[in-house]
Amino acid sequence: GDSVTQMEGPVTLSEEAFLTINCTYTATGYPSLFWYVQYPGEGLQLLLKATKADDKGSNKGFEATYRKETTSFHLEKGSVQVSDSAVYFCALNSGGSNYKLTFGKGTLLTVNP
Amino acid sequence: DTEVTQTPKHLVMGMTNKKSLKCEQHMGHRAMYWYKQKAKKPPELMFVYSYEKLSINESVPSRFSPECPNSSLLNLHLHALQPEDSALYLCASSLRPDKDEKLFFGSGTQLSVL
Repeated sequence: GDSVTQMEGPVTLSEEAFLTINCTYTATGYPSLFWYVQYPGEGLQLLLKATKADDKGSNKGFEATYRKETTSFHLEKGSVQVSDSAVYFCALNSGGSNYKLTFGKGTLLTVNP
Repeated sequence: DTEVTQTPKHLVMGMTNKKSLKCEQHMGHRAMYWYKQKAKKPPELMFVYSYEKLSINESVPSRFSPECPNSSLLNLHLHALQPEDSALYLCASSLRPDKDEKLFFGSGTQLSVL
């Protein structure tokens, strides 16, 4: 079955540091890939997505590239801010409908001033 | 209006109580979802309504009963819950139930069962 593996957290960085959160996946067919973010006390928000190989999703300074050869979708940001502190979920969907979304376990990011 | 609104934000209930969670969206979305999220875990899908009809029930115990009175509203009726049901309950919606449609999540109801 489908699965998503994210790097274990928590990740603690200083403001303006470079961020990478690793995500690899196992799926049948050609899945769409997503990063969702959950700020403290809130629901999840879609951060970015990519629907086919070599696509790059980007939003709010975050980027991730769909790498079919390495089955990866690593999240990166060049300079993190305190306001980026949140839990980040990598997810995939290889089915034909939205309820086939499979989440990774989540990575807690804390950015210190 | 790009929000999914959930009420109440917090709920404490005993194992013999009956309560309901409410979710509302006015974005014209035709797919609505209930997720359960335990602390430090990813959300787990419970139910999906597609065009106001229940299309997915992920083997959820009958003490959870969903209802979709119209295209903007989604309820989750709770009865005789167990302490292990304590969790954050998230409602979400999407324009359609299609694969790549963006999910919009509410802030959730933090439920404690005593």
